[in-house]
Amino acid sequence: QVQLQESGPGLVKPSQTLSLTCAVSGGSISSANWFWSWIRQPAGKGLEWIGRFRSSQTPSYNPSLRSRVTISMDTSTNQFSLELSSVTAADTAVYYCARESLEARDNGGYYDFSDFWGQGILVTVSS
Amino acid sequence: IQMTQSPSSLSASVGDRVTITCRASQRIDDYLNWYQQTPGKAPKLLIYGASRLERGVPSRFSGSGSVTAFTLTINSLQPEDIATYYCQQSYTLPYTFGQGTNLEIK
Repeated sequence: QVQLQESGPGLVKPSQTLSLTCAVSGGSISSANWFWSWIRQPAGKGLEWIGRFRSSQTPSYNPSLRSRVTISMDTSTNQFSLELSSVTAADTAVYYCARESLEARDNGGYYDFSDFWGQGILVTVSS
Repeated sequence: IQMTQSPSSLSASVGDRVTITCRASQRIDDYLNWYQQTPGKAPKLLIYGASRLERGVPSRFSGSGSVTAFTLTINSLQPEDIATYYCQQSYTLPYTFGQGTNLEIK
C-alpha cells in the first residue's frame, strides 16, 4: 500500500521560503510509472494544483506559481520536496503531496489521476 | 481551463439520488476526475476518465459525460457520503479543479 507523509514547518514568516518534504513508502519515486505532485487548499476553499515531476523529466509547475516554486526529488530517501519562495499570507493553506497514476485510454493517451494522497500539512504564513 | 460545478451546495435525504454537474471552459474529452473530501481529510479519488470507478469505491457512485459536460451521480445516498465533491480536468496542465459541491443530509 502506497503511503505519503508531508513534513515541514507549520509557520513561515512573510517573504521567506516555505519548504516541505513528502516521504513515500510502498512505491519508488524513481519509477517512470507515476508522477508525484503537490496540491494546496486554503482554509474553506478549493484545491490548487502546484506542480509535479516524474523521474528523468523536467518538473511541471502551475504558471501562477512558476516563478516561486521548485519541486525536487531525493531518490536515496524516496522523498520529494516543495519550495515556495517569497511567501505571503495568500500562501497559507493545507499542502498535500500526491501520487498521479496513468492508465491507457482506449482512444489513445493516458488518463491521469491522483490516487494516493498524504494527510496534508497546514502551513501558516504570518509574522 | 476553468471548471465550474453546480450546485455549490446540496441538501438531500438518505436514499435519494444525487447529481452534481461539472462543466469545462473548453473541451477536455473524457479527462475528468471526481474526488470526495470529508472535513479534515485529504481528497479521495472516486472516478477517473469521466466514468471509470476507482477500485474500492461503492458502485452507487457513477460518472458520465464528455467534451465539456460531466455529471457525478450518487444512487441511494448514504450518511457516509456527506462530503465536498470536486471535479478535476487532467486534459492539460495545469490541472484544475472545480470549486466544489458541499453535500449535506436533510
